[in-house]
Amino acid sequence: GDSVTQMEGPVTLSEEAFLTINCTYTATGYPSLFWYVQYPGEGLQLLLKATKADDKGSNKGFEATYRKETTSFHLEKGSVQVSDSAVYFCALSFTSGTYKYIFGTGTRLKVLA
Amino acid sequence: NAGVTQTPKFRVLKTGQSMTLLCAQDMNHEYMYWYRQDPGMGLRLIHYSVGEGTTAKGEVPDGYNVSRLKKQNFLLGLESAAPSQTSVYFCASSSVARSEKLFFGSGTQLSVL
Repeated sequence: GDSVTQMEGPVTLSEEAFLTINCTYTATGYPSLFWYVQYPGEGLQLLLKATKADDKGSNKGFEATYRKETTSFHLEKGSVQVSDSAVYFCALSFTSGTYKYIFGTGTRLKVLA
Repeated sequence: NAGVTQTPKFRVLKTGQSMTLLCAQDMNHEYMYWYRQDPGMGLRLIHYSVGEGTTAKGEVPDGYNVSRLKKQNFLLGLESAAPSQTSVYFCASSSVARSEKLFFGSGTQLSVL
């Protein structure tokens, strides 16, 4: 079945370090891909998305590119801040036939000053 | 500018008790969802609704019931709570299902003893 696999956390980095959180997916169709972020005590909020192969989503210095050949959507940021400490979820959704989103298990990021 | 509001934020139940979680959205969204979040398992869809008066089962519907009597409200009921229902519950809404982004509430922490 369809699924999303994320790297296990927690990921601990120093401020200004480079961040990569890996995400791969398995899907029978052509899904849209998302990264959601959950700050402590809050609900998830959309960070970025990409709707087709080779699209790059970006927001707040974060980027992810939809790689169909490797079925991946890795999240990157060149210089993390303490305020980026949160849980990051990779997710997919299809443009037709279902109202279902599939979320990964989440990766906790902790950034130290 | 409320968005999606969930009540209550915390609740402790004894096994066998019942309760209702309320989700309200003020964005005139057609679609609403209930998810549960458990450690190491990501978010799993319990039930969803594509419009007023309609509901459908998601991935893990057993032990839960829902109602969507008004477009802005989506209620999640537990008729006889079990310890396995200890979780964090999130409500979400979207204006168009599939690739459109989800708007989440801040969650309800439920413990069943």
